[in-house]
Amino acid sequence: QSVLTQPPSVSGAPGQRVTFSCTGSSSNIGAGFDVHWYQQLPGTAPKLLIYANNNRPSGVPERFSGSKSGTSASLAITGLQAEDEADYYCQSYDSRLSGFWVFGGGTKLTVL
Amino acid sequence: QVQLQESGPGLVKPSQTLSLTCTVSGGSISSGNYYWSWIRQSAGKGLEWIGRIYTSGSTNYNPSLKSRVTISGDTSKNQFSLKLSSVTAADTAVYYCARQTNGDYVVLDYWGQGTLVSVSS
Repeated sequence: QSVLTQPPSVSGAPGQRVTFSCTGSSSNIGAGFDVHWYQQLPGTAPKLLIYANNNRPSGVPERFSGSKSGTSASLAITGLQAEDEADYYCQSYDSRLSGFWVFGGGTKLTVL
Repeated sequence: QVQLQESGPGLVKPSQTLSLTCTVSGGSISSGNYYWSWIRQSAGKGLEWIGRIYTSGSTNYNPSLKSRVTISGDTSKNQFSLKLSSVTAADTAVYYCARQTNGDYVVLDYWGQGTLVSVSS
């Protein structure tokens, strides 16, 4: 069981808007720690997509956006494209024990 | 452009020690405000942060693996390594090395391609 909870799958048609949820707790997202999002295309390593809740690294299209509220965070993709089909993971920091970085279980995006 | 490359045995026997090395190019592991991390991904499961080493040599580990993990660095070769002892089938995974920033935002910004390690007799 992952510390951060993500739905296993999401789907959408090209051009649509889809959202991904990431639910944590008072020891991680709810404690104010940043949430980051990674995109993992099939057969490749994860790639940083959104950092610090709602910031895009250079080269990431504006179609990708993030937000955070309370113990949850969300990733949105607008104008869905076939190339967006991938697994998406959220990540944060958990303050329990000595503290450690945690990921969600990932959400597989299918572009219909 | 920073590049990372994992290397090591693809098959380890149960109860033995898994050993992997990450070779870094395009940047030095002994300079800059960065951590150098190991992450793994089991088939059908999500990502799990294993631990990291700082440029100073200090380390942090995932509490669930801490008793079995050692991460070390070799600045002369610009490499850092992972040792995971007493492995079982549950340790079968793709292992990634990555650079973790240590500024206003702590993120994994560069990743290796990953290497599959299977634990089997």
